[in-house]
Amino acid sequence: EAEVAQSPRYKITEKSQAVAFWCDPISGHATLYWYRQILGQGPELLVQFQDESVVDDSQLPKDRFSAERLKGVDSTLKIQPAELGDSAMYLCASSQTGGFYNEQFFGPGTRLTVL
Amino acid sequence: GENVEQHPSTLSVQEGDSAVIKCTYSDSASNYFPWYKQELGKRPQLIIDIRSNVGEKKDQRIAVTLNKTAKHFSLHITETQPEDSAVYFCAASGAGSYQLTFGKGTKLSVIP
Repeated sequence: EAEVAQSPRYKITEKSQAVAFWCDPISGHATLYWYRQILGQGPELLVQFQDESVVDDSQLPKDRFSAERLKGVDSTLKIQPAELGDSAMYLCASSQTGGFYNEQFFGPGTRLTVL
Repeated sequence: GENVEQHPSTLSVQEGDSAVIKCTYSDSASNYFPWYKQELGKRPQLIIDIRSNVGEKKDQRIAVTLNKTAKHFSLHITETQPEDSAVYFCAASGAGSYQLTFGKGTKLSVIP
């Protein structure tokens, strides 16, 4: 069964450093989401792509976060500089068309620890 | 925007008993309500979902009910088993948006 892939699975960095996370959605899924999940809470949407275009990045802290999906397939989320409060699980998800009823499939996540 | 409240935050039940988790949402135009199960260290996985034109849906031991008037929906797990132990998240999809707003989760513990 096809799954969403993410790397790295774990990342430890010092504050003020740059970090990058990679996501490869399920083949054929046009919509890609990046979520942040703080320990003990539900996922919160950071950015949504439809193909290579950003649909919504209203919750993305744009002073330090950036996301791209250049060819409409895999995606990269970057944080520069990282802050202590960025420690969280970063989840990527994909769905077929982004319609109301399309299931979102999640990747295993990247757990970020900022020291 | 959409706001989803989930209760309780933790729930312990004896094996074989039923478990109920409740969620409320704020946007009356929301029309899609999935439930995800997340085991420790693993990805969230969809276990059941319901659309706004349906009041109840069942899948073996799992059922979800939706009350559009009251803007709440619930997850029911019957004959609980130790492998049901996990964190469960409800979510809602708001009007004009493809996005999901998640509740804060319920940690279910099934005691053998």
